[in-house]
Amino acid sequence: QITLKESGPTLVKPTQTLTLTCTFSGFSLSTSGVGVGWIRQPPGKALEWLALIYWDDDKLYSPSLRSRLTVTKDTSKNQVVLTMTNMDPVDTATYYCAHLRGPHLYFDWWGQGTLVTVSS
Amino acid sequence: QSALTQPASVSGSPGQSITISCTGTSSDVGGYNYVSWYQHHPGKAPKLMIYDVTNRPSGVSNRFSGSKSGNTASLTISGLQAEDEADYYCSSYTSSSTWVFGGGTKLTVL
Repeated sequence: QITLKESGPTLVKPTQTLTLTCTFSGFSLSTSGVGVGWIRQPPGKALEWLALIYWDDDKLYSPSLRSRLTVTKDTSKNQVVLTMTNMDPVDTATYYCAHLRGPHLYFDWWGQGTLVTVSS
Repeated sequence: QSALTQPASVSGSPGQSITISCTGTSSDVGGYNYVSWYQHHPGKAPKLMIYDVTNRPSGVSNRFSGSKSGNTASLTISGLQAEDEADYYCSSYTSSSTWVFGGGTKLTVL
């Protein structure tokens, strides 16, 4: 069974850097075609795709947030880390990580999400 | 890239059928058979309901079905049940090697 869980700070100040960790089980990020993505949802708003990292370390980013995002993986720890720089109150959202079914292009398992509030 | 367009809300009575549309462009919905649909109950993890336009994951009720015509994909739920009340999001892979989600549709079971 595949599980994912997001962890990180619940509160960050404007201009700070956010670091979130996705810890997963039930699959290996060294398996061909597999990926882990990050998606967020501001309160009362829609889902927004942020980034994805593939088993081969290929990385994809939302064009609108590319300059602020970095995604990395630690295969031995079964973890994926997302960093977002220069946080702003509009970045307040629930952040989800999700398993990408390889070689397909859909997210079949999601974490419960973690709410991050940006406020001074 | 712009979010896919979904109706903000739909409603139906138990036992009825409803359809949620998801309109994109030839660079996403219309260009690939990589449309997926997610059911989201607030406070819970989104759940995959349909992938690759028409396919249902194991364990998802056959009351849920997907289709696509041109740049518009659709999710149909037949035999509405109270437990179907949730937010529904479509998503598509894009020509930029990214993913885009729809604005979400709130389904109310009357």
